[in-house]
Amino acid sequence: NAGVMQNPRHLVRRRGQEARLRCSPMKGHSHVYWYRQLPEEGLKFMVYLQKENIIDESGMPKERFSAEFPKEGPSILRIQQVVRGDSAAYFCASSPRQDANTEAFFGQGTRLTVV
Amino acid sequence: EDQVTQSPEALRLQEGESSSLNCSYTVSGLRGLFWYRQDPGKGPEFLFTLYSAGEEKEKERLKATLTKKESFLHITAPKPEDSATYLCAVQATDSSYKLIFGSGTRLLVRP
Repeated sequence: NAGVMQNPRHLVRRRGQEARLRCSPMKGHSHVYWYRQLPEEGLKFMVYLQKENIIDESGMPKERFSAEFPKEGPSILRIQQVVRGDSAAYFCASSPRQDANTEAFFGQGTRLTVV
Repeated sequence: EDQVTQSPEALRLQEGESSSLNCSYTVSGLRGLFWYRQDPGKGPEFLFTLYSAGEEKEKERLKATLTKKESFLHITAPKPEDSATYLCAVQATDSSYKLIFGSGTRLLVRP
C-alpha cells in the first residue's frame, strides 16, 4: 500500500556495518509493526510499537536489533554489526488503532543485502 | 503455539480454471484471519479480514470463507493478473495484535 512509506527500498551493507530502515506510517496511524521475510519464507513478526512505546518485541533478536517510534518522525529499525544472515526483506505495517476490526497496511519493504 | 499452514505451496491454473487455496490455523483464540496478496518485490496487499466461523467475504473473483479450523480463498475463473503469492495470517486474542503468517501459496495463472 503506497500509504506506508519505507526507505530505502534497497540497502547494501558490508558485514559489521549498521543498517537503518525507516518507516512512515499512513496518515492517522499510530501503530507500527515490523516484519522480516527471509528468502522463500513467510513473514515473521519482529516488533510492535506505538508512539514512543515498544508494545511487543517478542520477535526481535535480543542482540544487535533495536526499534523506535519517536513522537515526531518515522519509525526506525536499526541493525548493528550486520551479518549475512540479516539479508532479507523488512516490511513495516501500520494501523490506526489497537482494535480487532483493523487491518494492517504494509509498505513496499526494504531489501537488505549484506555482502 | 499459534500456527498457520497454507496449502498447496504452489498452484498452476489455466485461465478460467477455478480453484481454492487452503489456510489451516491453530490459535488459542482467534481475533481475526487475514488474507493478503503479494506480488514479487512488493509488500503484502490487504484483501480480507474474517472474524467468525461462517463468515464470507468477496472481492471480484475472490471469495474468502472461514471455519473454526481453516479458511479457504476461492478463485473463480482466474485471469493471468491474479498470479501472485497469497498469504494467510491470524491474529490471536491473547497477543499484541501481531499477525502470524503462513508461508503462502504461489499462484500462477496461464493464459
